[in-house]
Amino acid sequence: AQTVTQSQPEMSVQEAETVTLSCTYDTSESDYYLFWYKQPPSRQMILVIRQEAYKQQNATENRFSVNFQKAAKSFSLKISDSQLGDAAMYFCAYRSQYSGNTPLVFGKGTRLSVIA
Amino acid sequence: EPEVTQTPSHQVTQMGQEVILRCVPISNHLYFYWYRQILGQKVEFLVSFYNNEISEKSEIFDDQFSVERPDGSNFTLKIRSTKLEDSAMYFCASSDPGYDTQYFGPGTRLTVL
Repeated sequence: AQTVTQSQPEMSVQEAETVTLSCTYDTSESDYYLFWYKQPPSRQMILVIRQEAYKQQNATENRFSVNFQKAAKSFSLKISDSQLGDAAMYFCAYRSQYSGNTPLVFGKGTRLSVIA
Repeated sequence: EPEVTQTPSHQVTQMGQEVILRCVPISNHLYFYWYRQILGQKVEFLVSFYNNEISEKSEIFDDQFSVERPDGSNFTLKIRSTKLEDSAMYFCASSDPGYDTQYFGPGTRLTVL
């Protein structure tokens, strides 16, 4: 079974600075998707970014980018120019590609605080 | 922008009572899911649903749980006889088979007393 590990329970960053959240995963599959979801205090799960494993290019969405290292099974999230609204719980998630509706496997999350 | 909706936002029930949590997935999505998150813990998969039947379920999804798509828009999760340990946030999600990303609703917080 696949597992996702987020080794940083909590992180903090100064406003306007850059922070990187770590995620590693374990799988024997070669085709899969990786995601970062944000959960603010409202507890809604908001998609931040996704990466297809077959793509070598790292995904980018505005201030959010990933460093995907397939051989190392590492998928870190970089947040540039951090804003107060970025404060939230961040979950890394894995999804197998073997069928259309395989479930997401989540890590335990990293709580990010943004300091003004 | 289309979104997944869930009702109610918060449900309080007595142990042993039945609850039904409702979800309206994004209209052109075909895959539906329920996840739960016990306070302070990670999000856990419960069940996936496609073409009017369960595709996959986790060990958590025992005989006390059931899902249904009673009409063309709603997707429900029923817990027959709630237990204290069922207290959690329940998330519905849906995905488009062509895009493979699951979009989550705002969640229903279930409190079992």
